[in-house]
Amino acid sequence: AQSVSQHNHHVILSEAASLELGCNYSYGGTVNLFWYVQYPGQHLQLLLKYFSGDPLVKGIKGFEAEFIKSKFSFNLRKPSVQWSDTAEYFCAVGTNAGKSTFGDGTTLTVKP
Amino acid sequence: KAGVTQTPRYLIKTRGQQVTLSCSPISGHRSVSWYQQTPGQGLQFLFEYFSETQRNKGNFPGRFSGRQFSNSRSEMNVSTLELGDSALYLCASSLGRGSSYEQYFGPGTRLTVT
Repeated sequence: AQSVSQHNHHVILSEAASLELGCNYSYGGTVNLFWYVQYPGQHLQLLLKYFSGDPLVKGIKGFEAEFIKSKFSFNLRKPSVQWSDTAEYFCAVGTNAGKSTFGDGTTLTVKP
Repeated sequence: KAGVTQTPRYLIKTRGQQVTLSCSPISGHRSVSWYQQTPGQGLQFLFEYFSETQRNKGNFPGRFSGRQFSNSRSEMNVSTLELGDSALYLCASSLGRGSSYEQYFGPGTRLTVT
């Protein structure tokens, strides 16, 4: 069975600071990797995804993530956060068999 | 295109009762997955339906069940409610089964069990 670990439960940053949220997974086979974001009062929505190819993927709103297969990691990054990035971020791992496993989430608070 | 809709949005029940939650996927989507979201536990996978058949199931007791209709709409039922069932229940739809397809989430149903 696959599992996902997000290292930080709550991150507080000032605007313009750089962001990196850690995500590690365990699964022996081929995986699809995702980051989802849930802004206050809004639906969970896809931020970016990795299926294959270039391990550095770019998503919406300036976010990117790098898949490092040897480390079973898929960390999310943004060079300069904004107050509007305040949200909860979820890393997820999916298999082609269908089941998706989510991490516990990281709450990001950006101070103006 | 209309998004995923879930009804009702809020629900208050007492212990021992049962509840049915409904999910209407995006038009054309055939896969529906259900998740339970609680603070500190993230999203826990309940089950996935595709073409009216349950394809995957998470580690939840048999009190949690679901079904999918021919129009892809799905319902989730929880019987003999317990206080610990209080959570946000999310429904997600996708074009096909498997995580190769992007999931689109609904707003959720907030269930409170007293």
